[in-house]
Amino acid sequence: DVKVTQSSRYLVKRTGEKVFLECVQDMDHENMFWYRQDPGLGLRLIYFSYDVKMKEKGDIPEGYSVSREKKERFSLILESASTNQTSMYLCASSLRVRDEKLFFGSGTQLSVL
Amino acid sequence: GEDVEQSLFLSVREGDSSVINCTYTDSSSTYLYWYKQEPGAGLQLLTYIFSNMDMKQDQRLTVLLNKKDKHLSLRIADTQTGDSAIYFCAERRSGGYNKLIFGAGTRLAVHP
Repeated sequence: DVKVTQSSRYLVKRTGEKVFLECVQDMDHENMFWYRQDPGLGLRLIYFSYDVKMKEKGDIPEGYSVSREKKERFSLILESASTNQTSMYLCASSLRVRDEKLFFGSGTQLSVL
Repeated sequence: GEDVEQSLFLSVREGDSSVINCTYTDSSSTYLYWYKQEPGAGLQLLTYIFSNMDMKQDQRLTVLLNKKDKHLSLRIADTQTGDSAIYFCAERRSGGYNKLIFGAGTRLAVHP
């Protein structure tokens, strides 16, 4: 089975801190995604990557950046955390660009105080 | 998910059938999905349907697609307490990198 692992289940940070959310997948998937999940809004795509060192903006990239130095790891960076970035962050991966299945991690609940 | 709409809550009695509905807007969508999220977990792919199909059945799950009305439904037969979860509808847009657009999710509550 594909495993997508997010490094932290819960995270509490202060406004203005730099925050790193890490995601690792173990099945040599080409594509990786970061979503945020908010009640009543569903999942919204922040960034995705279709190859090492490649990245594409999703629907809500403002305030975020990403890094993909190795194929298995995709990091989401909040340069200066703000309270409106309190949310559940979900990482996902898929084998290829046109693969129909996304595999999700368990999520990181980030609270910015 | 402003382009994919779902009702936010559904309550059913154990043993009854549940029907979760979804509407989408992009007629060029290639695949439509149902994901399940249990408390404290990520999303798990339940089933998906290709846009040229009308129906797909997988054990207790039946997916119906009305492409003309852009309406997707998920029927769960003999609903059990373990089916209590949030169910997300998603569409896959054609072109580009085929990103998924998710609805807001329907919380299914199963009571005895």
